[in-house]
Amino acid sequence: SYELSQPPSVSVSPGQTVRITCSGDKLGDKYACWYQQRPGQSPVLVVYQDDRRPSGIPQRFSGSNSGNTATLTINGTQAMDEADYYCQAWDISTGVVFGGGTKLTVL
Amino acid sequence: EVQLVESGGDFIQSGRSLTLSCTASGFNVGDYAVGWVRQAPGKGLEWVGFIRSRDFRGTEQYAASVKGRFTISRDTSKSIAYLHMNSLRTEDTAIYYCTRGTYRGSYLLDFWGQGTLVTVSS
Repeated sequence: SYELSQPPSVSVSPGQTVRITCSGDKLGDKYACWYQQRPGQSPVLVVYQDDRRPSGIPQRFSGSNSGNTATLTINGTQAMDEADYYCQAWDISTGVVFGGGTKLTVL
Repeated sequence: EVQLVESGGDFIQSGRSLTLSCTASGFNVGDYAVGWVRQAPGKGLEWVGFIRSRDFRGTEQYAASVKGRFTISRDTSKSIAYLHMNSLRTEDTAIYYCTRGTYRGSYLLDFWGQGTLVTVSS
């Protein structure tokens, strides 16, 4: 079955740039998505098709995907960005696959 | 406005069955993949399965952990999707989110419900 892995936690200072990675075998050959989940809330799609933002998602969120790694970048990180972030890909055999999640702390 | 509202979560003994409902509005449930993702207490997201759109023949696909025990169906006339869960285990305890899946070369889950809690006791 297909698997994705993420670092358990990442921290950043307000106003700085943070990158959250997601690794999987030949992940660059698939599309990657990213979801933000604030405490006590449902997940929200913030990036899809590697680098596209849904309507309403701030421009400071961006994505890339190449080789075995997809990356979510948040520029000018704000306190409200503190949340868990999950990457996701689609594998025809396994189905929808999520990474284990990364807890972002804004110090 | 797209909305997904789950219901049916309960406290239930292991081995029993339970059905969750997802009432959709703002879109036609036959035109999208509708499915479920669960999250055990303090854990990450786990895909459960979905039923594809009519364009993809409405076929179903499930995670290995629930295949053969869980079934997803939908009633397009009522705009409701269901998750039928049989032979429940304590490890099925989780918040269950209803999701809308859109296919754009790959499936993405663009809308989520607020979730409903299922607790399975031993």
